[in-house]
Amino acid sequence: DSGVTQTPKHLITATGQRVTLRCSPRSGDLSVYWYQQSLDQGLQFLIQYYNGEERAKGNILERFSAQQFPDLHSELNLSSLELGDSALYFCASSVGPTGVGSPLHFGNGTRLTVT
Amino acid sequence: AQSVTQLGSHVSVSEGALVLLRCNYSSSVPPYLFWYVQYPNQGLQLLLKYTSAATLVKGINGFEAEFKKSETSFHLTKPSAHMSDAAEYFCAVSDSQGAQKLVFGQGTRLTINP
Repeated sequence: DSGVTQTPKHLITATGQRVTLRCSPRSGDLSVYWYQQSLDQGLQFLIQYYNGEERAKGNILERFSAQQFPDLHSELNLSSLELGDSALYFCASSVGPTGVGSPLHFGNGTRLTVT
Repeated sequence: AQSVTQLGSHVSVSEGALVLLRCNYSSSVPPYLFWYVQYPNQGLQLLLKYTSAATLVKGINGFEAEFKKSETSFHLTKPSAHMSDAAEYFCAVSDSQGAQKLVFGQGTRLTINP
């Protein structure tokens, strides 16, 4: 058990809808990272927050947004969903602002299916 | 820009045989390199990491990897495969300047034959 909790585990929704994925980082970790895993794109870094502030942005679409709350949990909001957004979304956390000195701890992911 | 190439999307070995999973990286600065393992329906778990302290890195579950700068490689090995090693393995790179994101390879699915 990595200590990172992601909810829900599965999500099925229709095109055009909006969903929110939630992540609770490991106790003591201040950084939260979001990754998307799909068959064609592999594991893609989306965005990182450190102690409530956006730290780094990767291949995140404008339809997607995220935030980290004062209690350090994070939410990833996906809107105007398209079939191609179907993927496994991972949250990871680390102690510091970079995942280099301290490793990333991954949650078990939220599997999103857009129909 | 950094990148990682994993040679072979699927590797199959017999139980007790040597496991060799290949990873080549591209980085304009000294890299930090990682191997992660993903078991079915689970998140990624860190196997080992290279951060310039030693070129031969030992990880969990008997795995190790050797950093070879001249070959820009960071191949993962295990002397004797076990059935429980069946999983997907990802190589990742991060630049040593403290970049926040990891760039992952496409993954290699390891199958162990009894």
